[in-house]
Amino acid sequence: ETGVTQTPRHLVMGMTNKKSLKCEQHLGHNAMYWYKQSAKKPLELMFVYSLEERVENNSVPSRFSPECPNSSHLFLHLHTLQPEDSALYLCASSQEISMGQGQPQHFGDGTRLSIL
Amino acid sequence: AQTVTQSQPEMSVQEAETVTLSCTYDTSESDYYLFWYKQPPSRQMILVIRQEAYKQQNATENRFSVNFQKAAKSFSLKISDSQLGDAAMYFCAYRRGRGDMRFGAGTRLTVKP
Repeated sequence: ETGVTQTPRHLVMGMTNKKSLKCEQHLGHNAMYWYKQSAKKPLELMFVYSLEERVENNSVPSRFSPECPNSSHLFLHLHTLQPEDSALYLCASSQEISMGQGQPQHFGDGTRLSIL
Repeated sequence: AQTVTQSQPEMSVQEAETVTLSCTYDTSESDYYLFWYKQPPSRQMILVIRQEAYKQQNATENRFSVNFQKAAKSFSLKISDSQLGDAAMYFCAYRRGRGDMRFGAGTRLTVKP
């Protein structure tokens, strides 16, 4: 069983829909991440919640809204998405000791998102 | 800005042979971390090996080893005795601080029986 669980595994939605992606980690980690993986492009770090602090990537459009209610759960709320937002969205977690310690990240299986 | 470059979009290797995947990165920092991740068709990213920049000794994990050349900003992955289960996308990644993780575009490795 993976230590990081993502639901749903697949999601098809229209551009006017509102949906949420869910991530749960069972590893006791204190940092969680959202990544976007598009075809033939490097993984893009979207959001980080680390040691109770949210680190934003300013290039992420506001139609993506993260929420981290506790250290084990992370959500990505989606609203009015565009076709170019179709991608695999990966969640990851890590145990951060202090800033810059480079702890490895553990990934979930991702949510394949398709925007019609 | 830190960037990670994987110049080989695809590689293939014969089963039981050795293959080396290339990775270069750009940074002005002296203290950072480098990773190789594997992503099989199941989609889950799996950590293969990790290297701390302040350590001169190359990391080794069973059949996987790295050639870390700090001055050249090079971090290649060597897979020895390749197995069919090694077939996957391999991503090189760089990390400096909290929330600062950069990935390369990946190399697709095919293992021929």
